[in-house]
Amino acid sequence: EAQVTQNPRYLITVTGKKLTVTCSQNMNHEYMSWYRQDPGLGLRQIYYSMNVEVTDKGDVPEGYKVSRKEKRNFPLILESPSPNQTSLYFCASSPYRGLAYNEQFFGPGTRLTVL
Amino acid sequence: SQQGEEDPQALSIQEGENATMNCSYKTSINNLQWYRQNSGRGLVHLILIRSNEREKHSGRLRVTLDTSKKSSSLLITASRAADTASYFCALDSGQNFVFGPGTRLSVLP
Repeated sequence: EAQVTQNPRYLITVTGKKLTVTCSQNMNHEYMSWYRQDPGLGLRQIYYSMNVEVTDKGDVPEGYKVSRKEKRNFPLILESPSPNQTSLYFCASSPYRGLAYNEQFFGPGTRLTVL
Repeated sequence: SQQGEEDPQALSIQEGENATMNCSYKTSINNLQWYRQNSGRGLVHLILIRSNEREKHSGRLRVTLDTSKKSSSLLITASRAADTASYFCALDSGQNFVFGPGTRLSVLP
């Protein structure tokens, strides 16, 4: 089944404790992205990657790191989480066709709470 | 910077009625996409309209795009309770996607 998976789905942690949220897609998509969703703010893009070893900052990259060593994986790393990073996180992937990307496929989300 | 803005922020209608929501943006786009999100879940792609298209249909969905006004609308006809969700427009500017804050649709039985 074509899908984007994220792990963990729920995480409660404490300030300063490094964590990684994994994201994997099995559709051979070039484009992958991380978003955070907060009430009243919609989805805001954290980082995106247009292909292996190519990553770029989105609108809210501070406090986050990513890597794209393989096409299928795009982990999100919080080196020193803070309470303002409490949010719902989504990973997404998209195929590149012609000169543009197409629909994004979203993972189920990771609800992160930083105490 | 590019930003999508949906309106209204919230919409409440009776089952069977039509629902219309709008999206406005600021700079040029490759395509515009609409997504649905059921409470707290991942977004699901509904429809994509390219910058050289004016109208697209998919089942009960109709999307229009007016590039001169930099706006798009999503029409859901004959709404059902199951259409209750948040709807987002997403702008593809060629390198990244920008989402609007969404329209919360409630369809009352």
